Amino acid sequence: QQQVKQSPQSLIVQKGGISIINCAYENTAFDYFPWYQQFPGKGPALLIAIRPDVSEKKEGRFTISFNKSAKQFSLHIMDSQPGDSATYFCAATSGSARQLTFGSGTQLTVLP
Amino acid sequence: DAGITQSPRHKVTETGTPVTLRCHQTENHRYMYWYRQDPGHGLRLIHYSYGVKDTDKGEVSDGYSVSRSKTEDFLLTLESATSSQTSVYFCAIRQTGGGTEAFFGQGTRLTVV
Repeated sequence: QQQVKQSPQSLIVQKGGISIINCAYENTAFDYFPWYQQFPGKGPALLIAIRPDVSEKKEGRFTISFNKSAKQFSLHIMDSQPGDSATYFCAATSGSARQLTFGSGTQLTVLP
Repeated sequence: DAGITQSPRHKVTETGTPVTLRCHQTENHRYMYWYRQDPGHGLRLIHYSYGVKDTDKGEVSDGYSVSRSKTEDFLLTLESATSSQTSVYFCAIRQTGGGTEAFFGQGTRLTVV
């Protein structure tokens, strides 16, 4: 039973385009929603994160949109670059130990 | 990599043998986690620790045990490895005091043949 559902599984975008990755969650106890970026052979690294009392957060070319009533959130990458080619994971945390529940990942390829 | 070292980085072992993976941190963080990464599943929590000798189970803990005798080391043991435990294992740490960001190690690729 996957508590955080992520789509699409893979995404190909032209350089300069917009990449959009979507996630949905079930557990209303989640209270922090990070996105992680992972390059081959590396561990995931925090990209951007949002709390449910905010509907949007922007950091440079990366924006999270959050819809609490729909229990959905998405990552938008503006002006996508070949260097953005990586696997992206949405996640959610809850509990005192702040353990992460991950989506299944999206492999993004940005064509030059 | 945020002061996290995983060892070994790669290991091939036979079915039925015990395997121990080590996570070492230099940050003196309270929380440490073990995740496994498999295609189509993202990362799933195996076990975590919230202090020396304080551990708890995660989503996929069956077949795994952990120990934390020192703040800096968190060990993951497969008592009798099975092919279904072939995976990439990641250790993560999180600072004490309400910090929300988890920092991940480089991973250990384990193959059980």
